[in-house]
Amino acid sequence: EAGVAQSPRYKIIEKRQSVAFWCNPISGHATLYWYQQILGQGPKLLIQFQNNGVVDDSQLPKDRFSAERLKGVDSTLKIQPAKLEDSAVYLCASSLGPDKETQYFGPGTRLLVL
Amino acid sequence: AQSVTQLDSQVPVFEEAPVELRCNYSSSVSVYLFWYVQYPNQGLQLLLKYLSGSTLVKGINGFEAEFNKSQTSFHLRKPSVHISDTAEYFCAVKTTGGSYIPTFGRGTSLIVHP
Repeated sequence: EAGVAQSPRYKIIEKRQSVAFWCNPISGHATLYWYQQILGQGPKLLIQFQNNGVVDDSQLPKDRFSAERLKGVDSTLKIQPAKLEDSAVYLCASSLGPDKETQYFGPGTRLLVL
Repeated sequence: AQSVTQLDSQVPVFEEAPVELRCNYSSSVSVYLFWYVQYPNQGLQLLLKYLSGSTLVKGINGFEAEFNKSQTSFHLRKPSVHISDTAEYFCAVKTTGGSYIPTFGRGTSLIVHP
């Protein structure tokens, strides 16, 4: 079974530029999560999808971050414009359902904003 | 809202010694509890989870954890660690109802010395 795929693995941009990350979850997984993991901290949930609907985006900085999962499968996370403090690893995870099901994580995209 | 506290940011230990990584949580409702491991430059991988039933949960790689409801704790233990256990360990909770939003602790870095 293929795991959660993410691309790119690394990205370096200058502040005020835009960037997009892509995630392809495990086939059949209805729930998809985007996390931000700043160095030395635990993952912070940015947005949670159930199929193509948003379950929670309370911690997503909506003035600069956006995410979509239009067909309920793969998803993109965009930052526009980027700030220095956005430097982090962006993790995508998926699960069969939102409750007790195990989350499976992708390898992450490491973003450096200069 | 729920919260997770991992009491130790770093735990150094010698190879073949026992180890305990501590996790306390706060929630006004029942929760599911998880421990994940993150190796350098990789995503998170589930070690074990507590959903219900027996409070002693066994996971992969010889790890186990005990759920203590009265102390709101879910400490992770291993009787004899290996060099390969060196990694970051994250405790996480989800409420058993509502939107099932996951919350992660800040992580504990386990460093195994030869």
